[in-house]
Amino acid sequence: SQQGEEDPQALSIQEGENATMNCSYKTSINNLQWYRQNSGRGLVHLILIRSNEREKHSGRLRVTLDTSKKSSSLLITASRAADTASYFCATGETSGSRLTFGEGTQLTVNP
Amino acid sequence: DSGVTQTPKHLITATGQRVTLRCSPRSGDLSVYWYQQSLDQGLQFLIQYYNGEERAKGNILERFSAQQFPDLHSELNLSSLELGDSALYFCASSVVPAYGYTFGSGTRLTVV
Repeated sequence: SQQGEEDPQALSIQEGENATMNCSYKTSINNLQWYRQNSGRGLVHLILIRSNEREKHSGRLRVTLDTSKKSSSLLITASRAADTASYFCATGETSGSRLTFGEGTQLTVNP
Repeated sequence: DSGVTQTPKHLITATGQRVTLRCSPRSGDLSVYWYQQSLDQGLQFLIQYYNGEERAKGNILERFSAQQFPDLHSELNLSSLELGDSALYFCASSVVPAYGYTFGSGTRLTVV
């Protein structure tokens, strides 16, 4: 079973708009990471936020983490058609060394 | 190019057959992870190796096995293949998970 659950499962927006994706998880974590996957390709690491951090920025990406609610959000600002992809959250658990991935959010940015 | 090399990119084989998927991790990464991605199951963790030793096991079937060699490349062996084994198989490597994974481009396995 997946640790993380992304919400929404699918999101369709216009270029220039912001996209927000949410992730919830169940167990204690060391860190939470977001990955992007273009159709049929490998996953690409976007950003990592540690359990003692609340917010992190990288370019047009903003990630928040609320460990009390066991949730995270990924905000992509000023979206572009090239941002069209599936986005996955992944949690690094305190008890192990592997990452557990959520089901993903399919983002479509319409030009 | 992510630095993680997976071969072959595509594989079509018949039920009951055995295949071997190969992964070369990014230079300097000691950990290798194998994941299976199918439409109905999402990304499922199969197994992790660290510097040649098995470190963690996930939802890996008994028909599947893996190993990591002294040069750190890894192979995933899938035997007695069934139609349901058709999926994308990804290899990823990392120094430590806290720094994130680097994924290969995957092997698309089709069992007919």
